[in-house]
Amino acid sequence: DTEVTQTPKHLVMGMTNKKSLKCEQHMGHRAMYWYKQKAKKPPELMFVYSYEKLSINESVPSRFSPECPNSSLLNLHLHALQPEDSALYLCASSQEGGRGGTQYFGPGTRLTVL
Amino acid sequence: AQSVTQLGSHVSVSEGALVLLRCNYSSSVPPYLFWYVQYPNQGLQLLLKYTSAATLVKGINGFEAEFKKSETSFHLTKPSAHMSDAAEYFCAVSLDSGYALNFGKGTSLLVTP
Repeated sequence: DTEVTQTPKHLVMGMTNKKSLKCEQHMGHRAMYWYKQKAKKPPELMFVYSYEKLSINESVPSRFSPECPNSSLLNLHLHALQPEDSALYLCASSQEGGRGGTQYFGPGTRLTVL
Repeated sequence: AQSVTQLGSHVSVSEGALVLLRCNYSSSVPPYLFWYVQYPNQGLQLLLKYTSAATLVKGINGFEAEFKKSETSFHLTKPSAHMSDAAEYFCAVSLDSGYALNFGKGTSLLVTP
């Protein structure tokens, strides 16, 4: 089973709202990722967690706050977003971090910021 | 740093025709290369992965890719296109730093009846 699940599937929020995206995997993977994908563009890496520790933050604005409560779960907390943050947010996981690891993606959360 | 270039942002083929999606890579070390497919409003699905074990890599849904070091290429092919193959295809390379994938800009495949 190579399933990564994400909730919610769609999210509409105002610029003053606080919301969270959730990602879960039960493959025993120890690396988890958040990507942002704008329409007709490739995914852009935002954060990487390895063994539940934040390993990479690709200079993402502080209005995005990741959290990894345990090895199966990854959250992305959203606060005071801008309309340009509207995008598809993808979660992925891999067995471990490290070069060559295969990343398995979830279906994504389509975020619209009004 | 490792990178990939996908040639052709849009490719159109007839149903039953050969599918050829082009990807060239740049890497100073033996690369790990991937092809992913993304159907509308969905996440990315792994089609296949090159790890140097074999130059011809077979993937899911009848796709395969051949690694050619002399041409720095990793083109994706399928002998006979189905309507269901219409999607966005991304080539990616694993970066030296370990975690990140460097994606190409993507190729949108259109299959016509």
